[in-house]
Amino acid sequence: AQSVTQLDSQVPVFEEAPVELRCNYSSSVSVYLFWYVQYPNQGLQLLLKYLSGSTLVKGINGFEAEFNKSQTSFHLRKPSVHISDTAEYFCAVSGVVPAGGTSYGKLTFGQGTILTVHP
Amino acid sequence: DTEVTQTPKHLVMGMTNKKSLKCEQHMGHRAMYWYKQKAKKPPELMFVYSYEKLSINESVPSRFSPECPNSSLLNLHLHALQPEDSALYLCASSQARGLGGYTFGSGTRLTVV
Repeated sequence: AQSVTQLDSQVPVFEEAPVELRCNYSSSVSVYLFWYVQYPNQGLQLLLKYLSGSTLVKGINGFEAEFNKSQTSFHLRKPSVHISDTAEYFCAVSGVVPAGGTSYGKLTFGQGTILTVHP
Repeated sequence: DTEVTQTPKHLVMGMTNKKSLKCEQHMGHRAMYWYKQKAKKPPELMFVYSYEKLSINESVPSRFSPECPNSSLLNLHLHALQPEDSALYLCASSQARGLGGYTFGSGTRLTVV
């Protein structure tokens, strides 16, 4: 079984300040981790993903995340935020689950963190 | 083409109407998904299609009927919906096993009146 916990439901921050959105995961098998961003009334856009290799992952819009296996965390960071970063951010984990004689990679989402950037 | 296209973007329907949501991708992905998202909640999986066959139905009421006519298209047929079915419906696609993540469409905002 796999699960994701996003530790903060809302994070307010001032423009040009650094931000960290926290995510912890639980998975009994190999871990594939993702951060998605959702702007109001839009779909989900992939920010970055960790599949293997370097534990520091760089994504779009200046975001990065660090995979920490010992702490089962995948926190998202940005050194200086902009007003346009205001959105909801979802951490997700992918794992193989059986399905009708085959298997597929099920994506399990956290509850989301609303990032609000104030001028 | 790296997009998932959903139409329509907005839909208002009465409880006795029949309507369909459409989703299209041309990335060669062989898995496609329907998700439902209520306000301030994460997306909830409804259906998974793998190689045009229905693999997962997450106990979705029969008033929602998915269809995958070919590897690029995914439809969601709606009939006799309830007001509580109002939500953002998201389509996604992925490589066959989906472990590398999904590509999402921009969604259809459905309002049932």
